[in-house]
Amino acid sequence: DQQVKQNSPSLSVQEGRISILNCDYTNSMFDYFLWYKKYPAEGPTFLISISSIKDKNEDGRFTVFLNKSAKHLSLHIVPSQPGDSAVYFCAATTLGDDKIIFGKGTRLHILP
Amino acid sequence: DVKVTQSSRYLVKRTGEKVFLECVQDMDHENMFWYRQDPGLGLRLIYFSYDVKMKEKGDIPEGYSVSREKKERFSLILESASTNQTSMYLCASSSDATHLHFGNGTRLTVT
Repeated sequence: DQQVKQNSPSLSVQEGRISILNCDYTNSMFDYFLWYKKYPAEGPTFLISISSIKDKNEDGRFTVFLNKSAKHLSLHIVPSQPGDSAVYFCAATTLGDDKIIFGKGTRLHILP
Repeated sequence: DVKVTQSSRYLVKRTGEKVFLECVQDMDHENMFWYRQDPGLGLRLIYFSYDVKMKEKGDIPEGYSVSREKKERFSLILESASTNQTSMYLCASSSDATHLHFGNGTRLTVT
């Protein structure tokens, strides 16, 4: 039973355009959501997060949107840069719990 | 900056061998985790620990055990390695169980 779903295994976007990565979750108890970025041969690194009390969080070129009623979140990267080519993992947890549940990841390719 | 160090980047082991994967963190974090990453399956939690000598099963603990004798060190043990345990293993630590700091991973091949 997959609680965090990233239905697009890969995505290609032209440099300078907007990249939109999507994530759905099934567990209504989740109240904190995170995005991690992973380059080959490196561990994932934290990118941005959002609490369920908000519907948007922005950090530079990265914005995460949360739609609680639809159990959907998305990561927007504007403008996309070559260094953004990586695998992006969506993750969710219930604050106070000890576990974070990860999605399967989306590989983002930024095209020159 | 938090540093999570995994002792080996690459390991090749034979089926049936006992394998130890070591992880050390330098930020005095209470929580430590072991994940494996496989293509098409994402990151799956094997075991985690929230204190010395404490351990909890994650989603896929079968075939694995862990040891946490000191706060900074969390070891993953494959009691009898099998080919389906060929994977990338990632250790992580955190102070609050939300923002994980990962090591660079150990790519284990079991032949």
